[in-house]
Amino acid sequence: GAVVSQHPSWVICKSGTSVKIECRSLDFQATTMFWYRQFPKQSLMLMATSNEGSKATYEQGVEKDKFLINHASLTLSTLTVTSAHPEDSSFYICSALIGQGAAGELFFGEGSRLTVL
Amino acid sequence: LAKTTQPISMDSYEGQEVNITCSHNNIATNDYITWYQQFPSQGPRFIIQGYKTKVTNEVASLFIPADRKSSTLSLPRVSLSDTAVYYCLVGPGYSSASKIIFGSGTRLSIRP
Repeated sequence: GAVVSQHPSWVICKSGTSVKIECRSLDFQATTMFWYRQFPKQSLMLMATSNEGSKATYEQGVEKDKFLINHASLTLSTLTVTSAHPEDSSFYICSALIGQGAAGELFFGEGSRLTVL
Repeated sequence: LAKTTQPISMDSYEGQEVNITCSHNNIATNDYITWYQQFPSQGPRFIIQGYKTKVTNEVASLFIPADRKSSTLSLPRVSLSDTAVYYCLVGPGYSSASKIIFGSGTRLSIRP
């Protein structure tokens, strides 16, 4: 199947710094990517939908100024956690969409674990 | 997307067949049923997708009754490596406008 790669797979940073997480579709082009966060023992929570060349659509309760999403190319979307705080520590997962509708397939990255000290 | 309800957790033993049922009473006519598997500290992985009756692949089978208000993921002869969280998703396929919402999932634990 198609491959979606995230980088870094884990990162530790100090409170107040910004962290960028990359999501790449390695062998296909993805006009749409989704970003999720997942706390321990909980399900994935959709943060935003990222469409290439346009602004991301954020879910209710997700601060767009804190979680900056850029989808500048068909193979790369980035999530930047600005001025990170310990409560932002979480597992961030991206997914990329191939196709549309019933024929559409969703492929997930390996996830990026952020720990803010 | 139609809301789904799954058991929070299940236990089984190696070599057994495991069936995880998902309820989706409000499923729409054009909705598909998709199951994902997630291991700790990894992204979800697609297992199987179906619309009605039965679908089988090399990993699992998916049984969907005629009214489509529920579905059952069947894992034959499980092993320790099948210990994971299994998510049932229901929706009209994927698009840039879709909101791929995950429910609580079922935490499956396989014992020797």
